[in-house]
Amino acid sequence: NAGVMQNPRHLVRRRGQEARLRCSPMKGHSHVYWYRQLPEEGLKFMVYLQKENIIDESGMPKERFSAEFPKEGPSILRIQQVVRGDSAAYFCASSPPGGAAGNEQFFGPGTRLTVL
Amino acid sequence: QQQVKQSPQSLIVQKGGISIINCAYENTAFDYFPWYQQFPGKGPALLIAIRPDVSEKKEGRFTISFNKSAKQFSLHIMDSQPGDSATYFCAASPSPIQGAQKLVFGQGTRLTINP
Repeated sequence: NAGVMQNPRHLVRRRGQEARLRCSPMKGHSHVYWYRQLPEEGLKFMVYLQKENIIDESGMPKERFSAEFPKEGPSILRIQQVVRGDSAAYFCASSPPGGAAGNEQFFGPGTRLTVL
Repeated sequence: QQQVKQSPQSLIVQKGGISIINCAYENTAFDYFPWYQQFPGKGPALLIAIRPDVSEKKEGRFTISFNKSAKQFSLHIMDSQPGDSATYFCAASPSPIQGAQKLVFGQGTRLTINP
């Protein structure tokens, strides 16, 4: 049973370019979360999605950032016109649907974004 | 009110000793408290988790102690080994009944176990 998959693992962009980060949840999981980790800091929640729905985007910057989880395919975190401050590790997590077990989130290996 | 405060920031323990990491929270809506272990360059891995209806949970060498009235919880690693050297994060989230299940993370503790 494959875990949460993220790609690319490393991404280098120049200022002003777009970054697309992909996440495939664990099999059977329908909830996806994105977190950002700055160097030497904890993880900060960005967005929580279910298939075709954004449930909570309270941690997303108002501009340049967007996320989707289409009916088919991986979840995508998109950062437009990247700036140096966007350099961080972006982690995706997934959890199974509903109930008490819904809290358990399993993390992918992350995408390390470097903005030159 | 959404914060989870974690201490210490770094910790050095001798092999075979007990490692203790503490966390405190304010939001009484939190009802799920996991601990994650992260090695450099890797994603966080779920280690152990507790809900407020119990005061302690043990899995192997790892124990969570939970004090609901003080709004504090801690991770104890017994017989600490060099392979336990990693960064540990506590986290909290509200009940899934309340909708959003985002995890609020502590700042992390870098644990080093000396051989």
